[in-house]
Amino acid sequence: SQKIEQNSEALNIQEGKTATLTCNYTNYSPAYLQWYRQDPGRGPVFLLLIRENEKEKRKERLKVTFDTTLKQSLFHITASQPADSATYLCALSYSGTYKYIFGTGTRLKVLA
Amino acid sequence: GAVVSQHPSRVICKSGTSVKIECRSLDFQATTMFWYRQFPKKSLMLMATSNEGSKATYEQGVEKDKFLINHASLTLSTLTVTSAHPEDSSFYICSAPAPVGPYNEQFFGPGTRLTVL
Repeated sequence: SQKIEQNSEALNIQEGKTATLTCNYTNYSPAYLQWYRQDPGRGPVFLLLIRENEKEKRKERLKVTFDTTLKQSLFHITASQPADSATYLCALSYSGTYKYIFGTGTRLKVLA
Repeated sequence: GAVVSQHPSRVICKSGTSVKIECRSLDFQATTMFWYRQFPKKSLMLMATSNEGSKATYEQGVEKDKFLINHASLTLSTLTVTSAHPEDSSFYICSAPAPVGPYNEQFFGPGTRLTVL
């Protein structure tokens, strides 16, 4: 079955630096890969979606890359701020289904 | 963006009782909704796909008779945890796909924290 691993359970970085989170999967590549933000006790909030034929997507300070050869997606937050502190989840889905498989998440803490 | 609500946000119940959780899409119609559960510091585990007008599709290992799902209308899905036990205590979250185009973002509800004593 598909396994999704996100680089580390927790990541601490200094304010202003770029945070880089990884999402690695096994087996076959998904048609769609998404990144979500989740704050404690809340539901996830959608951030970005990237398709299997796309290499990179950007939205304001966020950037996502997708490498189907490495079976990996990288999620970058540039000029990080304490307000970016949250858990970030990657999720994969395949053609023909709405279902998503979620990674375990990375808890990011941006230090002031 | 589209909004999904859940009710209640928190519920505490005694072992053996049943608990109903509602998931509503507030400003769009959702023929499909998803139910997840999440344990502390763990990822979201898909429990079932709720389909309007037909039976829910359950993931492997999820008891259908334990977790009853009813998709009564295009904006409402309910999850009933029957004869709840302490091991059912968890964070339950529903989601609905964006109304425009397939495989776009999912809109999540705020979650329901269930504690079974």
